[in-house]
Amino acid sequence: DTEVTQTPKHLVMGMTNKKSLKCEQHMGHRAMYWYKQKAKKPPELMFVYSYEKLSINESVPSRFSPECPNSSLLNLHLHALQPEDSALYLCASSQVPTGSGGAFGEQYFGPGTRLTVT
Amino acid sequence: GESVGLHLPTLSVQEGDNSIINCAYSNSASDYFIWYKQESGKGPQFIIDIRSNMDKRQGQRVTVLLNKTVKHLSLQIAATQPGDSAVYFCAEKFGNNDMRFGAGTRLTVKP
Repeated sequence: DTEVTQTPKHLVMGMTNKKSLKCEQHMGHRAMYWYKQKAKKPPELMFVYSYEKLSINESVPSRFSPECPNSSLLNLHLHALQPEDSALYLCASSQVPTGSGGAFGEQYFGPGTRLTVT
Repeated sequence: GESVGLHLPTLSVQEGDNSIINCAYSNSASDYFIWYKQESGKGPQFIIDIRSNMDKRQGQRVTVLLNKTVKHLSLQIAATQPGDSAVYFCAEKFGNNDMRFGAGTRLTVKP
């Protein structure tokens, strides 16, 4: 199984709502990532988890809260978002390269959650 | 600041021709480079990677070339097919803590 699944596929939420995005992989990968992608732009790294611990937070606002409950699951909790947060949110996973203290091996991406904040 | 960029935002080729997608990078500390393909409505898909101690790597119909002297990366696709139509991103990693994607090139294959 080389698939990364993400739910929901689409999400519309108001600025006062609380919602969560979910990501799952069963490839035994110990690094998982959240990216944000605006239309016609490249993915931008948000968070990296390595061995279920947050290793990178790219100065993401606190209204985005990641969680890695186990080695297969990655969540992104959303609260009090702004309309400019509307984007495609991509999850990815990879092996942690041997001898590396960090992550960024060959990444497998999910299809993303298309988020619209109204 | 240092960044990853692409020379051409769009590329149109005839089916069967070879395609070359270019990428310029400016971080001399980058040690790992990846090419991704992203089709409409999908997440990026890994195509090929190369480490900074190499200058060429070949896959099935794809070749990545790395020229560290001029900080240039290219992706060559042989015998381009309609299914190759997508946006192609290069990405660079430096150290253990950062990976950046380039702006992307849209490849359109004409039948």
